Amino acid sequence: AQTVTQSQPEMSVQEAETVTLSCTYDTSESDYYLFWYKQPPSRQMILVIRQEAYKQQNATENRFSVNFQKAAKSFSLKISDSQLGDAAMYFCASLKTSYDKVIFGPGTSLSVIP
Amino acid sequence: KAGVTQTPRYLIKTRGQQVTLSCSPISGHRSVSWYQQTPGQGLQFLFEYFSETQRNKGNFPGRFSGRQFSNSRSEMNVSTLELGDSALYLCASSLFTEDGYTFGSGTRLTVV
Repeated sequence: AQTVTQSQPEMSVQEAETVTLSCTYDTSESDYYLFWYKQPPSRQMILVIRQEAYKQQNATENRFSVNFQKAAKSFSLKISDSQLGDAAMYFCASLKTSYDKVIFGPGTSLSVIP
Repeated sequence: KAGVTQTPRYLIKTRGQQVTLSCSPISGHRSVSWYQQTPGQGLQFLFEYFSETQRNKGNFPGRFSGRQFSNSRSEMNVSTLELGDSALYLCASSLFTEDGYTFGSGTRLTVV
């Protein structure tokens, strides 16, 4: 069964600094998809970034980038130049195949200190 | 374009009652997935519907059911409500699951 682990329940970062959120997953598939979602206090979950496992290049979306280590089954999210609006719960998620269900990790609560 | 719309946003029900939640996906999205979110269990997958057929199902009792209509709108139903069913129920739609979900704002269900 797929599992997703986020070992940091809470993290904090100073405004304008960089923070890295950790995620590990367990899958027996060679091709799969990984995601980071953000859920601000307003509770609407939004997709931050996605990675296809067969692509070697790490995904990047503006200030958000990932460090995808396939052999280690690690998928960390780096947020650069942190802003107050980045404060939220961040969920790591994995998808085995196009027709499967997305499994979410327990989440990391990120606080941004002004 | 309009986002994923979930109604109602808040609901208070009594133990033993049943409830129906609604989700209208983004136009053109045929896949609708439902999740239960609680502080203790996180996001738990309930089921996914694609073109009116249940494609995936999570590990929830039979009291939890759903359906999808020809216009892709989906409903989930919970019968014989229990206190433990109190949660935020999230609906998510996608064109292709691997592209990522678009979530609705959720329905906060409180069972008293």
